[in-house]
Amino acid sequence: GQQVMQIPQYQHVQEGEDFTTYCNSSTTLSNIQWYKQRPGGHPVFLIQLVKSGEVKKQKRLTFQFGEAKKNSSLHITATQTTDVGTYFCAGPNAGNMLTFGGGTRLMVKP
Amino acid sequence: KAGVTQTPRYLIKTRGQQVTLSCSPISGHRSVSWYQQTPGQGLQFLFEYFSETQRNKGNFPGRFSGRQFSNSRSEMNVSTLELGDSALYLCASSLQSWDDTQYFGPGTRLTVL
Repeated sequence: GQQVMQIPQYQHVQEGEDFTTYCNSSTTLSNIQWYKQRPGGHPVFLIQLVKSGEVKKQKRLTFQFGEAKKNSSLHITATQTTDVGTYFCAGPNAGNMLTFGGGTRLMVKP
Repeated sequence: KAGVTQTPRYLIKTRGQQVTLSCSPISGHRSVSWYQQTPGQGLQFLFEYFSETQRNKGNFPGRFSGRQFSNSRSEMNVSTLELGDSALYLCASSLQSWDDTQYFGPGTRLTVL
């Protein structure tokens, strides 16, 4: 079945440093969604990418969808302590369900 | 608009018991999906309901079941609880489709002793 892998699993950064998480699917995706889950919280939708090669920005966050629509990345510029949490990517699979990646847990040292 | 609500927020049960969790979606949302979140397995899809019908089902045993009511509220039931069922159970609602933006509730933390 489809697999969605995310790397790294954990990332410690100093406040102000950049951060990137990568998402790779074993199959081509029609779209990819990104979610953020704060410690003790629930996943919150960030963005959806649909087009091949698409790039979207939300303030300090930049999301990319690969040309082959099998990979995606989330880049945060100049991290802040409010960026702490786990970032998940998710893509639809042939079984009509969203498959979530394992997530990247971001920790920011002030 | 009120968000997705789930009750109860915390639950402690013993092996062999059964449990029912409840989810109220965002008003106007007709699709409700359930997910199990554990540290080891991450977020795993349980099932999705739309118009009182189960549309999609993940790879979970038959002990896990659910239903949806005419007002889109949904319940999930787990029978004959096992220790491995301890998890955060998240409900998510979306407008129409299982691959629309998922709006998650706060979850029910189930502990099986």
